[in-house]
Amino acid sequence: GDSVTQMEGPVTLSEEAFLTINCTYTATGYPSLFWYVQYPGEGLQLLLKATKADDKGSNKGFEATYRKETTSFHLEKGSVQVSDSAVYFCALSDNGGSQGNLIFGKGTKLSVKP
Amino acid sequence: ETGVTQTPRHLVMGMTNKKSLKCEQHLGHNAMYWYKQSAKKPLELMFVYNFKEQTENNSVPSRFSPECPNSSHLFLHLHTLQPEDSALYLCASSHEGLPNTEAFFGQGTRLTVV
Repeated sequence: GDSVTQMEGPVTLSEEAFLTINCTYTATGYPSLFWYVQYPGEGLQLLLKATKADDKGSNKGFEATYRKETTSFHLEKGSVQVSDSAVYFCALSDNGGSQGNLIFGKGTKLSVKP
Repeated sequence: ETGVTQTPRHLVMGMTNKKSLKCEQHLGHNAMYWYKQSAKKPLELMFVYNFKEQTENNSVPSRFSPECPNSSHLFLHLHTLQPEDSALYLCASSHEGLPNTEAFFGQGTRLTVV
């Protein structure tokens, strides 16, 4: 079945450092890909998404490009801030299914130190 | 009110208790979902309701019983739970049938079974 694999955390960075969180997926069709963020004590918020190959999702300085050839959707940010400390989840949805029917990775906890 | 609201935010219950989790969305969505978030495991989709009809039940034990009386409200009735059921329970909603949409999540109910 479909699955998502993302890098194990936790990731600890200094403020203004470059961030990459790797995500790869396995899917039989052509899924939509998402990054969700969960701040401490909160639910999940959609950070960005891409619905087809070569699409780039971007939001709040974060970017991820849908790479069909490598089945990847790595999250990047050029300069992280303390306020970016959170858990980041990569997810996919089968485009033939419901948009809320998501398969998630295990999450990567990011801590940014001042 | 806007968004997806879950109540209560925290719940402690004994194994013989019966309790219910409530989710309410004011986004005009037509699909609602229950997810379970346990430590060190990916988020697990439990139930899907589409136009108030349950369309998915991912092998969830019968001690969890969902109810969707209308497209804005979703309940999760709990009875005779086990300590391993302690987790964060997240509700989500989406608008199925519209292109380029995504799921919105509530803040979750932190459940502790003692």
